[in-house]
Amino acid sequence: GDSVTQKQGQVTLSEDDFLFINCTYSTTTYPTLFWYVQYPGQGPQLLLKVTTANNKGISRGFEATYDKGTTSFHLQKASVQESDSAVYFCALVNAGAKLTFGGGTRLTVRP
Amino acid sequence: EAAVTQSPRNKVAVTGGKVTLSCNQTNNHNNMYWYRQDTGHGLRLIHYSYGAGSTEKGDIPDGYKASRPSQENFSLILELATPSQTSVYFCASGDWLGGREDTQYFGPGTRLLVL
Repeated sequence: GDSVTQKQGQVTLSEDDFLFINCTYSTTTYPTLFWYVQYPGQGPQLLLKVTTANNKGISRGFEATYDKGTTSFHLQKASVQESDSAVYFCALVNAGAKLTFGGGTRLTVRP
Repeated sequence: EAAVTQSPRNKVAVTGGKVTLSCNQTNNHNNMYWYRQDTGHGLRLIHYSYGAGSTEKGDIPDGYKASRPSQENFSLILELATPSQTSVYFCASGDWLGGREDTQYFGPGTRLLVL
């Protein structure tokens, strides 16, 4: 079945640091890939989505590139702010299957 | 205005009691989902629905029932609540795009404590 792996359970940075959150996936086809963000006390919300048609997603300064060769979809941001502190979920969906989430990465940004 | 709402937002129940969690969406989406979120487990799918009158089992359906009486409403029912069902529950709605499920829109969550 499909699976999504986020190796980093927690990431702690200072403001203006570069953010990199690792996400790799395993599936038999070319999925649609998502990054969701969950702020404290809220439900997850879409951060960005990438399909095979567009390869790269950019939103609110975050970007992620669909790399079919390495089956990765890492999330990056050049300069994080304290307001970016949240849990980030990588996810994928294929035709005929349910959305599969990674375990999440908790980002803490120190002022 | 919030498109996916959940009620109640917080609930304390007793073991063996019946609990109903409600979800309403104004997105006019065909699909609705119930997840639970626990530390160390991420988001796990309990039940889902592809339209009014239909419900399907997700990955962890044991101990839960679901009801989709209309396009807008989707309920999760715990007939005999147990302490192991203490968790945060999220409802989501979504639709289809290109033959696959598209972005899901989540509610604010219900925090359930079963004593």
